[in-house]
Amino acid sequence: NAGVTQTPKFRVLKTGQSMTLLCAQDMNHEYMYWYRQDPGMGLRLIHYSVGEGTTAKGEVPDGYNVSRLKKQNFLLGLESAAPSQTSVYFCASSQPLQLAKNIQYFGAGTRLSVL
Amino acid sequence: AQSVSQHNHHVILSEAASLELGCNYSYGGTVNLFWYVQYPGQHLQLLLKYFSGDPLVKGIKGFEAEFIKSKFSFNLRKPSVQWSDTAEYFCAVTPGSGNTGKLIFGQGTTLQVKP
Repeated sequence: NAGVTQTPKFRVLKTGQSMTLLCAQDMNHEYMYWYRQDPGMGLRLIHYSVGEGTTAKGEVPDGYNVSRLKKQNFLLGLESAAPSQTSVYFCASSQPLQLAKNIQYFGAGTRLSVL
Repeated sequence: AQSVSQHNHHVILSEAASLELGCNYSYGGTVNLFWYVQYPGQHLQLLLKYFSGDPLVKGIKGFEAEFIKSKFSFNLRKPSVQWSDTAEYFCAVTPGSGNTGKLIFGQGTTLQVKP
């Protein structure tokens, strides 16, 4: 049982390049989330999904897009990377509040540098 | 807007010292409260949680936290820290009702335990 798996683990991009981060969970969770972690700012929610085919904006959605075509996968896209997007990105998944009080399970993170 | 504030950004302790990390939140309704820990190079792991009932909750590795509703606080404590407790600690809150499960994180506290 792998839990939440993120790929890649590390990536270096040049300004203006695009990339997609993949998050996969094998716990059959309904909810999935993308966060970014920056020093002194904790984790901030970028986008989230409460089910297959649905996505919503979080606290810092600008410059990112997401898709949830399959229940187990949640993709985070950067269409035109900027240095301000240098960060560590975490994916998480959970069951609905009614079932599991939103205990979120996190992936190992993707460290992204944009030069 | 809902927010979570962790007052201690960087704490340095010697082994066997007692620990208390502060966490305050701003939300007037029912909340679910969490402490997550991130050991160096690892992903976030749930340390403990509060949903309802006894305001003193116990988590893994000897940690405990007390929910004081009147103070909007959920402070983390450990009577005697170990070198292996060196990590970053995040307090997080989610509304007790609602259906999105979004977590709001504090800025994090880096704990360094000297052997």
